[in-house]
Amino acid sequence: DAKTTQPPSMDCAEGRAANLPCNHSTISGNEYVYWYRQIHSQGPQYIIHGLKNNETNEMASLIITEDRKSSTLILPHATLRDTAVYYCIVRVGGGSQGNLIFGKGTKLSVKP
Amino acid sequence: DTAVSQTPKYLVTQMGNDKSIKCEQNLGHDTMYWYKQDSKKFLKIMFSYNNKELIINETVPNRFSPKSPDKAHLNLHINSLELGDSAVYFCASSPGQGLGALHFGNGTRLTVT
Repeated sequence: DAKTTQPPSMDCAEGRAANLPCNHSTISGNEYVYWYRQIHSQGPQYIIHGLKNNETNEMASLIITEDRKSSTLILPHATLRDTAVYYCIVRVGGGSQGNLIFGKGTKLSVKP
Repeated sequence: DTAVSQTPKYLVTQMGNDKSIKCEQNLGHDTMYWYKQDSKKFLKIMFSYNNKELIINETVPNRFSPKSPDKAHLNLHINSLELGDSAVYFCASSPGQGLGALHFGNGTRLTVT
């Protein structure tokens, strides 16, 4: 599976958009980009995933560059409850998604 | 209702003991997993079961033995506990292999003294 690179930490003001970048320059054509987050003392929570096109759901938007070598997770109006570690993972679709490899992620701190 | 529930939440035990962690999911998912999160916060898969059959068995000591009595349950039994087994263990489930999002439980913090 392709490796991902994320900044170790970011700050965001409450109510503002949080843009979390992820580099995956070695991504293959059949690999999806997944985002999960882990709030302190809880299990990881699925946020969104995509292959080529930008995706949006009730939690966030995922913007994937045309060359697919990087992506950005956007939380449009960050709240204090969005403070968490955010993981960007690339994985072949159709295989066992359970074999996700979680890196160190980005620790997002939303401040009042 | 909790979708993926683990018990106990905390487990403190001495070296050499045998202990079990239970996991149940009420989502109707076919696939269940055990992950281990160590002190450095890296999250690594240990086992995956699909419809009660073992699918993934990463390099985990034989002291760890998963048991799936039915597709809604995946328990983890650990023999002869060692200090290095101290970690947070997460159970997860998904609709099927490679399908849908993983739903995680809130973890079991195991401390071996």
